[in-house]
Amino acid sequence: LAKTTQPISMDSYEGQEVNITCSHNNIATNDYITWYQQFPSQGPRFIIQGYKTKVTNEVASLFIPADRKSSTLSLPRVSLSDTAVYYCLVVFVANYNQGGKLIFGQGTELSVKP
Amino acid sequence: SQTIHQWPATLVQPVGSPLSLECTVEGTSNPNLYWYRQAAGRGLQLLFYSVGIGQISSEVPQNLSASRPQDRQFILSSKKLLLSDSGFYLCAWINHRLAGGNNEQFFGPGTRLTVL
Repeated sequence: LAKTTQPISMDSYEGQEVNITCSHNNIATNDYITWYQQFPSQGPRFIIQGYKTKVTNEVASLFIPADRKSSTLSLPRVSLSDTAVYYCLVVFVANYNQGGKLIFGQGTELSVKP
Repeated sequence: SQTIHQWPATLVQPVGSPLSLECTVEGTSNPNLYWYRQAAGRGLQLLFYSVGIGQISSEVPQNLSASRPQDRQFILSSKKLLLSDSGFYLCAWINHRLAGGNNEQFFGPGTRLTVL
């Protein structure tokens, strides 16, 4: 499973756009890039997943360059409630028979200030 | 809709005592089930996963064990707890048919274990 590298922490202010970049130099052809969000004392929650170019949903956007060796999670106009840890994962989506494992790194602790 | 339960929510146990944490899933069948541990901050460590009844895969060597006696039940156990077993234990499931093939895992509320 590809290893990911992301900043340990980031600070932002309410209303700003936050971009969290993740490096995954060893990503394989069949791997997808997935982001989870975790609030204190809760389990992680799926945010977004993509393979290449740009993916957008009601929560975030995910930008993936052509070489796919990195990705950027973009959170528009953050609020205090977006304070959480954000995990970048590289996932081989079709590995159900092998267990569908997710390997979490240390994540990025985002702190949004008023 | 699918729901995942974990109990107990919190647990304080002495070193050397046994452990049994239970996880059950409702509203789905034949899920893949997972146990994670998160110690002192962030970084989830995958402990075990199961793709079916009686099928357990261990990710890390440790004094914990897991069992899946029923399709939607996953149990984490220990015969003798260590101080290092303290942490936040999370159960998760995936049903790829419902998830649309994106490997989205759904996590339970967790159990906070303190070993003294």
